[in-house]
Amino acid sequence: LAKTTQPISMDSYEGQEVNITCSHNNIATNDYITWYQQFPSQGPRFIIQGYKTKVTNEVASLFIPADRKSSTLSLPRVSLSDTAVYYCLVGGNTGGFKTIFGAGTRLFVKA
Amino acid sequence: GAVVSQHPSWVICKSGTSVKIECRSLDFQATTMFWYRQFPKQSLMLMATSNEGSKATYEQGVEKDKFLINHASLTLSTLTVTSAHPEDSSFYICSVRGGTGTEAFFGQGTRLTVV
Repeated sequence: LAKTTQPISMDSYEGQEVNITCSHNNIATNDYITWYQQFPSQGPRFIIQGYKTKVTNEVASLFIPADRKSSTLSLPRVSLSDTAVYYCLVGGNTGGFKTIFGAGTRLFVKA
Repeated sequence: GAVVSQHPSWVICKSGTSVKIECRSLDFQATTMFWYRQFPKQSLMLMATSNEGSKATYEQGVEKDKFLINHASLTLSTLTVTSAHPEDSSFYICSVRGGTGTEAFFGQGTRLTVV
């Protein structure tokens, strides 16, 4: 399973765009990149998933360069309620579908 | 996506007793479920993979006799923490993988406190 590296923490202000970058240098050909959000005392929640280029949904965008060795989660116009831990995970059909979490990025949004 | 429900949401038990946590996949038949534990300010640690109708697969360092997993149906997996001790106090979370995608869906978690 590919190892991921993210910043430990980030601060932002309400209304700003937040970009969280994740490094995954040894990503395998069949690996997908998935981001999750976790609030305190809750299970993680799926945000977005991609394989290459750009993916956008109603809450976020995911940018993946051609070499796929990194990815950037973009949260447009964050609010206080976006304060959470964000996890970048890389994996696919290997490892029995196991989802292995890295340390995550603790995002703190200030008023 | 799949809806996953855990019960109870929180539990307090005495040292030496056993506690059972249920994980239900409400709208998806899950042949495989996963159990995690999470200590404060830390990431989720995968404990075991629960396989319907067969034995669970435990991650290295996780005691299978301590954390008993039963996956008797396609919608229910249970984790029993046996002879619980204060160091077993943690947040336990289960998950299932989606049917067509590779994303995982998680339960709301169970806060276990052993006193």
